[in-house]
Amino acid sequence: EDKVVQSPLSLVVHEGDTVTLNCSYEVTNFRSLLWYKQEKKAPTFLFMLTSSGIEKKSGRLSSILDKKELFSILNITATQTGDSAIYLCAVDSTDSWGKFQFGAGTQVVVTP
Amino acid sequence: ETGVTQSPTHLIKTRGQQVTLRCSSQSGHNTVSWYQQALGQGPQFIFQYYREEENGRGNFPPRFSGLQFPNYSSELNVNALELDDSALYLCASSLGGTQYFGPGTRLTVL
Repeated sequence: EDKVVQSPLSLVVHEGDTVTLNCSYEVTNFRSLLWYKQEKKAPTFLFMLTSSGIEKKSGRLSSILDKKELFSILNITATQTGDSAIYLCAVDSTDSWGKFQFGAGTQVVVTP
Repeated sequence: ETGVTQSPTHLIKTRGQQVTLRCSSQSGHNTVSWYQQALGQGPQFIFQYYREEENGRGNFPPRFSGLQFPNYSSELNVNALELDDSALYLCASSLGGTQYFGPGTRLTVL
């Protein structure tokens, strides 16, 4: 059975700290891995990763995929209170294209 | 803002009732997916519609049904509501393998 596991489940950091979130997966016929940020309701798209070892970057956020070890990390540097949110990882496979399997999410709280 | 809208924002129903949730896709997106997100969990895939046909279903009973219209808007219908159906219902429209989510409908079943 396909599985997506995120860790840690939650963490609290101070403004300015760096955060590293993990997502490991077991999916048959992997196609892509996506990261979303969920603040109140709608998850907002951050990154889509399909190739191993290529870092995607957007401002203070970056992410990388390791298809051999079946995991991805999301880094947030110089955290701000506005980074407080739930970060969701989702995996797509060629067997069930577009039917994303999500992890439970990591809740990040950034304190001033 | 993703351009995906959902209505209503909140809904309270009682056990046994039926509910219809609506979603308007982002312009140009012909695929819509529905997810259920219980408190403290990640979204769970319910089903997907592509060009008005169901294109895959998750592990949800038949009392969860849907429709997609020619303008690619969509409905999720849930019959015989149960307490465990209380959740945030999200729809997402797709382009290029990326799904863009609407703000969700918070359903409470009493």
